[in-house]
Amino acid sequence: AQKITQTQPGMFVQEKEAVTLDCTYDTSDPSYGLFWYKQPSSGEMIFLIYQGSYDQQNATEGRYSLNFQKARKSANLVISASQLGDSAMYFCAMREFTGNQFYFGTGTSLTVIP
Amino acid sequence: EAGVAQSPRYKIIEKRQSVAFWCNPISGHATLYWYQQILGQGPKLLIQFQNNGVVDDSQLPKDRFSAERLKGVDSTLKIQPAKLEDSAVYLCASSLAGLRAQFFGPGTRLTVL
Repeated sequence: AQKITQTQPGMFVQEKEAVTLDCTYDTSDPSYGLFWYKQPSSGEMIFLIYQGSYDQQNATEGRYSLNFQKARKSANLVISASQLGDSAMYFCAMREFTGNQFYFGTGTSLTVIP
Repeated sequence: EAGVAQSPRYKIIEKRQSVAFWCNPISGHATLYWYQQILGQGPKLLIQFQNNGVVDDSQLPKDRFSAERLKGVDSTLKIQPAKLEDSAVYLCASSLAGLRAQFFGPGTRLTVL
């Protein structure tokens, strides 16, 4: 089974609107971390936001927030007030405490329309 | 705080030649990762080091790829001999132990002709 599933290969959003990028995960480890990365066309992977499995509140970092639904095993990224510079690939990732490995999804390509 | 450094940024070689990439992680990061990212795909883990020991190299094509991390700091990844399908971006990342984020270097874009 896939550890991380991103079902949206491509998404479009109007500038200044909010957008949600979906991510579901699969693990039996009770302790894990969830991450989102942004990869613009320049190729660099940029860390955006982290959510721990024991965190009671959803993580937020500026315009980024993570909608964490533990029972559904989902960790969706919400970008508020989209900007043209948000156009990029977005990867969801998970790290399990046991094994110390990182698992990446296949990514979602986001295009912000002026 | 300096980020993850990688060199070279670009490399063009012919098939059957050899190539080496270098990575210097963020100071104090015990875990170091090498990924291969083919255009349009997500990163694929090649090898993971914890200090200078290998944690996972299950997806490293060991007949042609090798990696080392001497003294638990810098790391080199080598391909010998290169094939056309090795054309990709090679990303190095590092992290602290535990449930911490990885931080990536700028990558090396390899083209094999």
